[in-house]
Amino acid sequence: AQTVTQSQPEMSVQEAETVTLSCTYDTSENNYYLFWYKQPPSRQMILVIRQEAYKQQNATENRFSVNFQKAAKSFSLKISDSQLGDTAMYFCAFMGYQGAQKLVFGQGTRLTINP
Amino acid sequence: ETGVTQSPTHLIKTRGQQVTLRCSSQSGHNTVSWYQQALGQGPQFIFQYYREEENGRGNFPPRFSGLQFPNYSSELNVNALELDDSALYLCASSSTGVGYEQYFGPGTRLTVT
Repeated sequence: AQTVTQSQPEMSVQEAETVTLSCTYDTSENNYYLFWYKQPPSRQMILVIRQEAYKQQNATENRFSVNFQKAAKSFSLKISDSQLGDTAMYFCAFMGYQGAQKLVFGQGTRLTINP
Repeated sequence: ETGVTQSPTHLIKTRGQQVTLRCSSQSGHNTVSWYQQALGQGPQFIFQYYREEENGRGNFPPRFSGLQFPNYSSELNVNALELDDSALYLCASSSTGVGYEQYFGPGTRLTVT
């Protein structure tokens, strides 16, 4: 079974700073997808960024980028020029090719951006 | 394009009762997944429906059951409610295929007393 671990329960940075959220996972599959989802205080989960395991190039979406280290099974999220609206719970998630297209989530990191 | 909607927003039930939660998928999506999110935790996969059939199930007992309708909307039913069933229940819709984004609804907050 796949597992996803986020070792930082909470993080706090000043507006405009760069912050990196950590995520490690465990799987025996070779092909899979990794995601970062954001859950603001209003609760609706929103996709931030997606990485396909067979692609070596790290995914980027505007201020959001990932550092994907397949051998180390590590998938960190970097937020550059952080904004107050980035305040949310961030979840790292795994989706494999075997079985249902289910997301396996980590425990989450509560990120607070301070003015 | 209409997003994923869920009803009701909040619900309070008594232990032993039954509850039905509803989800309307986003236009064009034929797959619906349900997740349970306990307070302070990440969501856990309950089950998934594709073309009205259960397409996979997580580690949840049989008293958690579901349906998907021809218009791809879905229901989650929980029988014999227990205190530990108190959680946020999230519905997500997607196209079929690995790697497709799952679009989440706002959730239903269930409290069991």
